[in-house]
Amino acid sequence: NAGVTQTPKFRVLKTGQSMTLLCAQDMNHEYMYWYRQDPGMGLRLIHYSVGEGTTAKGEVPDGYNVSRLKKQNFLLGLESAAPSQTSVYFCASSPSANTGELFFGEGSRLTVL
Amino acid sequence: LAKTTQPISMDSYEGQEVNITCSHNNIATNDYITWYQQFPSQGPRFIIQGYKTKVTNEVASLFIPADRKSSTLSLPRVSLSDTAVYYCLVGDSGGGYQKVTFGIGTKLQVIP
Repeated sequence: NAGVTQTPKFRVLKTGQSMTLLCAQDMNHEYMYWYRQDPGMGLRLIHYSVGEGTTAKGEVPDGYNVSRLKKQNFLLGLESAAPSQTSVYFCASSPSANTGELFFGEGSRLTVL
Repeated sequence: LAKTTQPISMDSYEGQEVNITCSHNNIATNDYITWYQQFPSQGPRFIIQGYKTKVTNEVASLFIPADRKSSTLSLPRVSLSDTAVYYCLVGDSGGGYQKVTFGIGTKLQVIP
């Protein structure tokens, strides 16, 4: 079982470049999330989606855009990367049932020079 | 949002029982308590979830007193492979995790 798959796992960008992180889940989950994790900061929610075609802002949405055109995919875009966006990005999904658990991908390490 | 407080780090010897306590004084009636484990270079992994009293699974036990203002994750007979960061989350995850926040967690170091 693949679970939650993130691509790419590593990427180095120059300031101002754009890129897209792809998250794919094969568990038919309704909810999907993008988090970033920085040293000493825990995980912070960037954007989330409660179903196909929906997106919403989380705690730290500035500088990022997302799309959920298909239920199984959740894309995170950086239109103009900044050094402050150097981080490890985690995608997660959860079912719509009550008291569900989050299933995380293995992370994508992004460095912006 | 319910705020949680847990120790930043803990050390334990192999074979010992480890108890990590999390304080959540303003927990709401609908909130559940959930614990996740994260190894280096991996995403967090669900360990256990509970609402009140005691919950036990093959990995851990979760103790929740009657007032629910704190909870304790108990890991029996830890091994080196239990070295990880443990997160205590409090929130109503019914309908999604968008209002449930991760703190910085407790870094558990198991010593040989």
